[in-house]
Amino acid sequence: SQQGEEDPQALSIQEGENATMNCSYKTSINNLQWYRQNSGRGLVHLILIRSNEREKHSGRLRVTLDTSKKSSSLLITASRAADTASYFCATGLSYNTDKLIFGTGTRLQVFP
Amino acid sequence: EAQVTQNPRYLITVTGKKLTVTCSQNMNHEYMSWYRQDPGLGLRQIYYSMNVEVTDKGDVPEGYKVSRKEKRNFPLILESPSPNQTSLYFCATREARNTGELFFGEGSRLTVL
Repeated sequence: SQQGEEDPQALSIQEGENATMNCSYKTSINNLQWYRQNSGRGLVHLILIRSNEREKHSGRLRVTLDTSKKSSSLLITASRAADTASYFCATGLSYNTDKLIFGTGTRLQVFP
Repeated sequence: EAQVTQNPRYLITVTGKKLTVTCSQNMNHEYMSWYRQDPGLGLRQIYYSMNVEVTDKGDVPEGYKVSRKEKRNFPLILESPSPNQTSLYFCATREARNTGELFFGEGSRLTVL
């Protein structure tokens, strides 16, 4: 099964609400990254958090990492219709620093 | 402008007809990789390359070949495509060795009939 699995698989909210997506993984990592994908387009990097970090912010994005629970969350605050996309977590493995494994994604729909 | 360019963006072909999907980057990145994306399976790595003339298998390399003769180009070759290779393919590059940010192309949607 996948190293990274996102939860929920799909999320629908109204503009202005916050959106929270979770990622769980199985093995030891040296970093975890979040990517965004608009329908059928290439993925775009959002944020990277290293294994020795617990929280990171970038604009309206907040990422947390709990290595003891092997989980991460991505919070998008004050969401906008333009945030509608799929969001993927990707884990950089500590035992193979060349490898980045992607989860199956959370599909976010933000209604105006 | 930093770019990862894939061609073709869309292709419909028939079983057994060899095809090549090209990938070119202008960022002087050493690392390049190919992924395929299928519903419910996320992105799976096909092959990657750490530098010119260095390529390695990813998680799903069967039925694919790659080459890295120049730093900027990393073509994906399907010698004898089959319907189970119908997918959305992405080329991605990065700068540093230690799994930093990946830069993705816009994708190539391949249908094999």
